[in-house]
Amino acid sequence: DAGITQSPRHKVTETGTPVTLRCHQTENHRYMYWYRQDPGHGLRLIHYSYGVKDTDKGEVSDGYSVSRSKTEDFLLTLESATSSQTSVYFCAIREGTGMNTEAFFGQGTRLTVV
Amino acid sequence: LAKTTQPISMDSYEGQEVNITCSHNNIATNDYITWYQQFPSQGPRFIIQGYKTKVTNEVASLFIPADRKSSTLSLPRVSLSDTAVYYCLVVNYGGSQGNLIFGKGTKLSVKP
Repeated sequence: DAGITQSPRHKVTETGTPVTLRCHQTENHRYMYWYRQDPGHGLRLIHYSYGVKDTDKGEVSDGYSVSRSKTEDFLLTLESATSSQTSVYFCAIREGTGMNTEAFFGQGTRLTVV
Repeated sequence: LAKTTQPISMDSYEGQEVNITCSHNNIATNDYITWYQQFPSQGPRFIIQGYKTKVTNEVASLFIPADRKSSTLSLPRVSLSDTAVYYCLVVNYGGSQGNLIFGKGTKLSVKP
């Protein structure tokens, strides 16, 4: 268990409101990731971080921003939520080096934008 | 960024060996090949990873030919509980890279 906690686990919000999802890890891993998962699209990378204040865009970053002000927390913000952002969001961390590298995922956050 | 191509779905029966092949024609020298499994309502879980030739662990085997342009995940004697989506990834873990791109995966359905 890589000690990853996502919060909240479920959220319903209204269109146009800001939403922040939190990913918390307890083991000081450098790499953290945010994904969204929708039927028919598999898992798509939104943003990732390779250190404090070091982040980069993924495949579907439009409409999302992230922040990592300390190692243990990676925040995903929807500045103005839209119905198309209704999805299940997964956070992940990466552990190990080279051939011993693997990713561990959180339990997911189900976000509904109405 | 190497992309992968794998079948959308596969069907199998309990007790059979299942082989899922993934194509990654543009794989780079520093890329690893890694596979994940995902059950409904859960995040993906690491299965196996390799660089070349064959890798085996308690769950699966991974076969990688010399040119590394494809790989095959082999699941021996599947059971109903192996019904899941399987993702093939090609990853460079170096420097500030290392973004993990999952794609749509292969949905494996195991029938009794």
